[in-house]
Order: sequence, then structure tokens, then C-alpha cells
Amino acid sequence: AQTVTQSQPEMSVQEAETVTLSCTYDTSESDYYLFWYKQPPSRQMILVIRQEAYKQQNATENRFSVNFQKAAKSFSLKISDSQLGDAAMYFCAYVDRGSTLGRLYFGRGTQLTVWP
Amino acid sequence: GAVVSQHPSWVICKSGTSVKIECRSLDFQATTMFWYRQFPKQSLMLMATSNEGSKATYEQGVEKDKFLINHASLTLSTLTVTSAHPEDSSFYICSARDEGKNFDEQYFGPGTRLTVT
Repeated sequence: AQTVTQSQPEMSVQEAETVTLSCTYDTSESDYYLFWYKQPPSRQMILVIRQEAYKQQNATENRFSVNFQKAAKSFSLKISDSQLGDAAMYFCAYVDRGSTLGRLYFGRGTQLTVWP
Repeated sequence: GAVVSQHPSWVICKSGTSVKIECRSLDFQATTMFWYRQFPKQSLMLMATSNEGSKATYEQGVEKDKFLINHASLTLSTLTVTSAHPEDSSFYICSARDEGKNFDEQYFGPGTRLTVT
């Protein structure tokens, strides 16, 4: 079964600094997608960034970038120039591209605090 | 962008009553919708996968008779919590797959906070 592990329950960062959130996953599949979702206090799930397993290039979205290490099954999120609005719960998620239903598997989440 | 709505956003009901939560895809069709439950400071727990025109697939440990799911159209899925008890109080989130895009595109509703008194 697919599992997603986030080993950092909580992280904190100073405004304008950089922080990296860790995620590892376990799967026997070779073709899949990985995601980072943000859940602010409003609790609306927001897609931050997506990585396709067959692409070697790390995905980037403005201040957000990932370090995707397929062999190590590692998928970390780097937030540069942190802003107060980045404070939220961050979830790493996985979906098997061959899955008929497209079920997402989530990690336990990392609560990010941003200090002014 | 694709939008998923949920109604109501919050509801308070008395123990023993039933409450229905609606999940709608506003600008796309969704053959598949997902229902999650989330406790404070915890991850999303998948309860069931809802398929239009067929029975829902429930995760292990989720009571089918308590959490009734109906996916009657390509834009609407409903979750009915029957004979609600205080332990059913939680935050319920739905998501929907946009079948017209890459299969991995899944959009989340804003959630429904259920309080059973």
C-alpha cells in the first residue's frame, strides 16, 4: 500500500527566510504524481505545487520549489522568502497515475509557523 | 478555475437526528468525488469514494449505514450522517475530479463543520 510520511509535525521560520518541509513516500509504482497542499486556518485545501514522477526536473511555482529524489522516494518542499501568509498546515500527497479512481494518499501534515 | 462548493459550511444538530451535506462541482463534471473527515490538527481521512450512478466505495472502518453517500448527478454528491451522535462532530471535506482534465486534477470544497449536541 502507498504511504506518505511527513516526519516534521511542526516547523517555524522567520519572515523572509527559507524553510524546507520533508516528505517521503513508499510505492511500488513507477508512474505517479506528488503534491504539496496548503491548508490555512480557513481549512480550504489549496494546491501549492505538483510533481510528475516521470519528469526529472524539479517543479517550481514562484517562491515554492521541490526537491524530488525518485530513487530515494523523497519529495521536499522549499519555501523561499517566507511570508506571514505562508503560515498553514502543509500536506504532502501521492496519487498513482494508473489508479482508476485517482485516490490521494496524504501525509500527517506539517504545521508551519512564520514569525515576523 | 474549477470550483467545488459545499453546503452548509457549518451545521449544528441534535443527537439522533440526520444531517445532509452537499458537494457540488460548479463548472465541471465529476464522475468521481471523495469524502474526507478531518479532526483538528490532523490529516484528511478518506471516508468513501463516490461514483456517479453507482454505489459508493467505503474505506475500512467507515459505517455505510451511518454515512450515506449519494452521487445522483455529475455535479452533485451528498453525504448524510444518520442518527448523529456527538462523536460524529468533525470537519467534513469533499473533493472532485475534473474528468475533462488530467486525471490528477482534484479540487476541494471549503468543508463543512458538523457539531452534534
